[in-house]
Amino acid sequence: EVQLVESGGGLVKPGGSLKLSCAASGFSFRGYTMNWVRQAPGMGLEWVSSITSSDTSIYYADSVKGRFTISRDNAKKILYLQMNSLRAEDTAVYYCTRGGGGGYSFLWGQGTLVTVSS
Amino acid sequence: EIVLTQSPATLSLSPGERATLSCRASQSISSYLAWYQQKAGQAPRLLIYDASNRASGIPARFSGSGSGTDFTLTISSLEPEDFAVYYCQHRNNWPFTFGPGTRVHIK
Repeated sequence: EVQLVESGGGLVKPGGSLKLSCAASGFSFRGYTMNWVRQAPGMGLEWVSSITSSDTSIYYADSVKGRFTISRDNAKKILYLQMNSLRAEDTAVYYCTRGGGGGYSFLWGQGTLVTVSS
Repeated sequence: EIVLTQSPATLSLSPGERATLSCRASQSISSYLAWYQQKAGQAPRLLIYDASNRASGIPARFSGSGSGTDFTLTISSLEPEDFAVYYCQHRNNWPFTFGPGTRVHIK
């Protein structure tokens, strides 16, 4: 089955760190750009970061630049998001998505909730 | 950064009616626009990409049009399962921003 499964979310204090993982299955992971998109409670979607298939290009939203790091392990078919210096405004459901068509998200995981609170 | 504006914010319609949703870009994005549907408690799913191409498995009642700065998502006849929030997203240049969404709810 073609799917993405996120893990690693939870409650963390402001200033803390968390690492999200996204396990891919059912497709050739190494051939796709992968993305993280987040959604704060009751709010809209916000693109967070993208990494191209061979790690040649990485992009971040200004809101997370310098604090978050996206990476991938093509052998294990896992996408990561290392989140440091977390803030209350980073509280959101984080979705892992498979890119396609030059930048869209054709496949979405179920999301993992990150809550930043003291 | 390209800003996407969606209108209306909320649309109240009955099953069987036609829905017309708008997405406007702050600068030309050619045809590089996608539409997503998100139902309560679920992840979004891609409906339309590059303005007018239906994604795999998407019913024909969903159609997209437009280019440049003005885009439209049309649902020809609303089914009960179509009541949801719809987002547009561009891929013209980084960052690939989303619009704020249009909520389609039952009248």
